[in-house]
Amino acid sequence: QQQVKQSPQSLIVQKGGIPIINCAYENTAFDYFPWYQQFPGKGPALLIAIRPDVSEKKEGRFTISFNKSAKQFSLHIMDSQPGDSATYFCAASVTGNTPLVFGKGTRLSVIA
Amino acid sequence: DTGVSQNPRHKITKRGQNVTFRCDPISEHNRLYWYRQTLGQGPEFLTYFQNEAQLEKSRLLSDRFSAERPKGSFSTLEIQRTEQGDSAMYLCASSQQGDPTPLHFGNGTRLTVT
Repeated sequence: QQQVKQSPQSLIVQKGGIPIINCAYENTAFDYFPWYQQFPGKGPALLIAIRPDVSEKKEGRFTISFNKSAKQFSLHIMDSQPGDSATYFCAASVTGNTPLVFGKGTRLSVIA
Repeated sequence: DTGVSQNPRHKITKRGQNVTFRCDPISEHNRLYWYRQTLGQGPEFLTYFQNEAQLEKSRLLSDRFSAERPKGSFSTLEIQRTEQGDSAMYLCASSQQGDPTPLHFGNGTRLTVT
């Protein structure tokens, strides 16, 4: 049973566009929701994370929107650049209890 | 902070052989995790340590897999009698104690079983 469902599987946007990646979860005990970015040949790297006590968090060009009632969260990348082309993973965990569980990933291509 | 180091980067082995991977975490991190990633999938949790204690093992970790973290420093992951289905990227991550704290991943060991 997949605990975190991520969509879309792949995404192509023009430079300057705003790609949006969505994740949904079932376990209401989850209370930590990070997004990781992975480039080919590299390990995933933390991009931004949110706790359920806020509905939005912004760091630079990256924004997480969180909807607790719908059990969904999404990543928005403002003014996307070709250098943002990578695979993005959402993840979730129960603080102090479980290791992170990851979505299947979204492969983003930003074309100039 | 030199990051999480994994060796080797690539390993090609024949089915039935044993392989061992090593992970050196960030020095001040007392938690160490092993994940497996196959093509087009997200990382899947295998096991994790707090210091030298192995606190949790996934059902994915069959009897052929064993992980150790002697003295709470580096860790090894051994796969015995490898199968073609073991072909994957094996990722190691470390973090400081405290929740939540970000996982710092290494660049992985890519295993190919022929």
